[in-house]
Amino acid sequence: QKEVEQDPGPLSVPEGAIVSLNCTYSNSAFQYFMWYRQYSRKGPELLMYTYSSGNKEDGRFTAQVDKSSKYISLFIRDSQPSDSATYLCAMKSSNTGKLIFGQGTTLQVKP
Amino acid sequence: GAVVSQHPSRVICKSGTSVKIECRSLDFQATTMFWYRQFPKQSLMLMATSNEGSKATYEQGVEKDKFLINHASLTLSTLTVTSAHPEDSSFYICSARSSGRSSYNEQFFGPGTRLTVL
Repeated sequence: QKEVEQDPGPLSVPEGAIVSLNCTYSNSAFQYFMWYRQYSRKGPELLMYTYSSGNKEDGRFTAQVDKSSKYISLFIRDSQPSDSATYLCAMKSSNTGKLIFGQGTTLQVKP
Repeated sequence: GAVVSQHPSRVICKSGTSVKIECRSLDFQATTMFWYRQFPKQSLMLMATSNEGSKATYEQGVEKDKFLINHASLTLSTLTVTSAHPEDSSFYICSARSSGRSSYNEQFFGPGTRLTVL
């Protein structure tokens, strides 16, 4: 079993839709939870990070962490074609400091 | 701020040759740099962690004699793929992290280098 599981998609939605991206994990030591966006043939860029459980909002993006269920989500409101990319969840524990990535979900927002 | 560059962005080489990839932090001092490999439609897999001035720590299954990492300064790390073979063809991405006061120290990623070995 992988430490971090993420459905690779692809996920296709119409412009303006609410997008829900999810990851599950098995390591209870993870404390930091990140979402990265990666455009084709580019390096990933950090969208949001959350420490421990809870919600965090930044513009059209909302990150949720449920440590009891070992489940994290990223919601994108009013999705735009420019949101089309691969979204990677990543996690780390304070013990190792290493980022463990999910496989990434490919999102396409159609105009 | 917090820009990380990689050079070259793309390289094609013949089997058996060695390829060097540079990773630079342009506007901050990177005490730690990470090297990842990403195969098509797969996740980023950490290959090694390097701290400035010391030997790199390699992840299990990564051959240290094949993937030579040097982190000689606070702004530069290099990855050399020695005697490259077609199975080494991949997208190599570095990231850099500075020593910060918070427990969360963000890693800043470079744009990646696509290596194709013929």
